Amino acid sequence: NAGVTQTPKFRVLKTGQSMTLLCAQDMNHEYMYWYRQDPGMGLRLIHYSVGEGTTAKGEVPDGYNVSRLKKQNFLLGLESAAPSQTSVYFCASSRIQVQETQYFGPGTRLLVL
Amino acid sequence: TQLLEQSPQFLSIQEGENLTVYCNSSSVFSSLQWYRQEPGEGPVLLVTVVTGGEVKKLKRLTFQFGDARKDSSLHITAAQPGDTGLYLCAGNRNYNQGGKLIFGQGTELSVKP
Repeated sequence: NAGVTQTPKFRVLKTGQSMTLLCAQDMNHEYMYWYRQDPGMGLRLIHYSVGEGTTAKGEVPDGYNVSRLKKQNFLLGLESAAPSQTSVYFCASSRIQVQETQYFGPGTRLLVL
Repeated sequence: TQLLEQSPQFLSIQEGENLTVYCNSSSVFSSLQWYRQEPGEGPVLLVTVVTGGEVKKLKRLTFQFGDARKDSSLHITAAQPGDTGLYLCAGNRNYNQGGKLIFGQGTELSVKP
């Protein structure tokens, strides 16, 4: 099993450009999440999904959109990138039950110039 | 405002020393998790504590959940260089369903040989 994979691993964007980050999981998990990690801030939840076709806002959703068309995939989109979106982005997945482990991908490092 | 405050944020110690990391909040959590993250990788779950006052041990690591379920601590005995990494606490406030975690800022631990 690959677990949670993320594409790409690293990307440089210019301000105003758009891009999509792809997350895939092979554990048949219902829940999927997108976080961003910045120095001294821990992980902050951007958007999450409790099942195929559903999405919800997290703590810092502005400037991002998501889609979950297939259970195994969760896409994070930046329509018009800004330097403030320079960060490391992590995708995670988990089962439904309370207190379940979240399994994280290796991260995508994004630099917006 | 950080809902979960971790302290210290940075810790540099010699091999063989003991240390304690704290995770505090004014909010009650249904459960609290500790993750460890190595450079270039996603966080990996170490433990989940659920009951107030609960103590769990994982080899040289001891985790405790506060009686009021508002705080937690991680104690490492006889630290080793392999313990080096970022330690993150994460709280779950949803009693009825799994999902959304609130992360602390993290504690960067460096253990020198």
